Amino acid sequence: DIVMTQSPDSLAVSLGERATISCKSSQSVLYSSSNNNYLAWYQKKPGQPPKLLIYWASTRESGVPARFSGSGSETDFTLTISSLQAEDVAVYYCQQYYSIPFTFGPGTKVDIK
Amino acid sequence: QVQLQESGPGLVKPSQTLSLTCTVSGDSISRSGYYWSWIRQPAGKGLEWIGRISTSGTTNYNPSLKSRLTMSVDTSSNQFSLRLTSVTAADTAVYYCVVQEYTTGPRWFDPWGQGTLVTVSS
Repeated sequence: DIVMTQSPDSLAVSLGERATISCKSSQSVLYSSSNNNYLAWYQKKPGQPPKLLIYWASTRESGVPARFSGSGSETDFTLTISSLQAEDVAVYYCQQYYSIPFTFGPGTKVDIK
Repeated sequence: QVQLQESGPGLVKPSQTLSLTCTVSGDSISRSGYYWSWIRQPAGKGLEWIGRISTSGTTNYNPSLKSRLTMSVDTSSNQFSLRLTSVTAADTAVYYCVVQEYTTGPRWFDPWGQGTLVTVSS
């Protein structure tokens, strides 16, 4: 199984400031023939299902604000919220869809400082 | 846009079988290029992929649950189902049904159902 880890476990950021979340996979999720990283990011708020934010490690889902961006390749990835808004308070998960079983990171809780 | 809705008992006794159904609306479950998945989240914990099934009935299960798991598709009802046997308290979780597109390879999970809480308790 590909093990996903995230850091930090939680972070508190002032409104308008940058939030950065790291995600690491135990093996590469880069499919060399397509040069795509099989990595997605989700936002989870209480009582709601996870919401897809980013796929292919850096492609923003339609309707997701531009302040959310993803970067990285192979085993090291980052989700950045460039200017934190109140509605961004949530838990963020990375997930690999490179191989079965598909696995998620443990989540990073983002809060307002 | 595809929409999903989970249904099933909210309370299951230990050692019994958990059965959930996901009703798909907005598109045909028979449409090719999709896998129909289940994902769960115990309270205060992370997300766990349970398994998936294609319209043709091809399944992939999480090895951690494989011995207790069965998934099925009912194209006439536009539904797919999950059966998990010999449940324990560790199976208490919110269960989500989710779509996974599959064209030249697996894709991300989207959209998701609203989720249904299943509690295992006597």
